[in-house]
Amino acid sequence: GENVEQHPSTLSVQEGDSAVIKCTYSDSASNYFPWYKQELGKRPQLIIDIRSNVGEKKDQRIAVTLNKTAKHFSLHITETQPEDSAVYFCAASVQGFQKLVFGTGTRLLVSP
Amino acid sequence: DVKVTQSSRYLVKRTGEKVFLECVQDMDHENMFWYRQDPGLGLRLIYFSYDVKMKEKGDIPEGYSVSREKKERFSLILESASTNQTSMYLCASSPRTVSPSEQYFGPGTRLTVT
Repeated sequence: GENVEQHPSTLSVQEGDSAVIKCTYSDSASNYFPWYKQELGKRPQLIIDIRSNVGEKKDQRIAVTLNKTAKHFSLHITETQPEDSAVYFCAASVQGFQKLVFGTGTRLLVSP
Repeated sequence: DVKVTQSSRYLVKRTGEKVFLECVQDMDHENMFWYRQDPGLGLRLIYFSYDVKMKEKGDIPEGYSVSREKKERFSLILESASTNQTSMYLCASSPRTVSPSEQYFGPGTRLTVT
C-alpha cells in the first residue's frame, strides 16, 4: 500500500527565513497531495494542496512543488513568522479511494 | 462553513471498559474517517466509511469497531479499552467527489486509558 515519508521531523528557523519540508510517496498512482497545519491544541487544517497534473502551486508565502518522476513533493514557506510555528503534515491519496495516507509530521519552530 | 464535532475533548477510561467516541458533521459529507494521532507516528487511519452502514478497515483497525447508522454521525468503539489505546483520536469528513479532496477534521478527543 501507499507509504509516505516526511522529513525533517523538527525544523527550527529564524523569523524571516525560509522553511522547506519534504515528503516522498510510494504509489505512482497517487494524484492528490494536501498539506495540513496543526497548531498546538487545535485540529489539522488544510493550507495548500496539489494534484498530479500540476508541478507547482503558490498561495502567498506558501508553495508546494511536485516531482512525479521522483515521487516527492515539498512545502515551501517564505518569510516565516512566529505564527507559522506548528506541526505540518503531508499526505497522499490512495488510488481508487477517497482516503489519504499521512506523513509523520514536521514540527516547525519559528523564533523571533 | 464545515463543522465537524466530537463528543468529548478529554476522556479517561479504565482498562476493559467499552468506550464510544462520537463524531458529527453538518455538511452532508458522504465520507467519514477515524484517525489516531501519536507523537512521531502522524495520523494513522483506523476505519473509514463511504456511506451509511458502510465501513472499511484502515491501517490499524485491531481493537476498534465503528458504526454509521446516519449519514452525519460516525462512531468509534473500543470494545475493551487497553492502555495502548491511550491517544488522540481525530474524526474527519469529506464530500464524495470524482477525485480525492480536502478532509475536514474535528477538534479531537484525547483518550486516556488507565
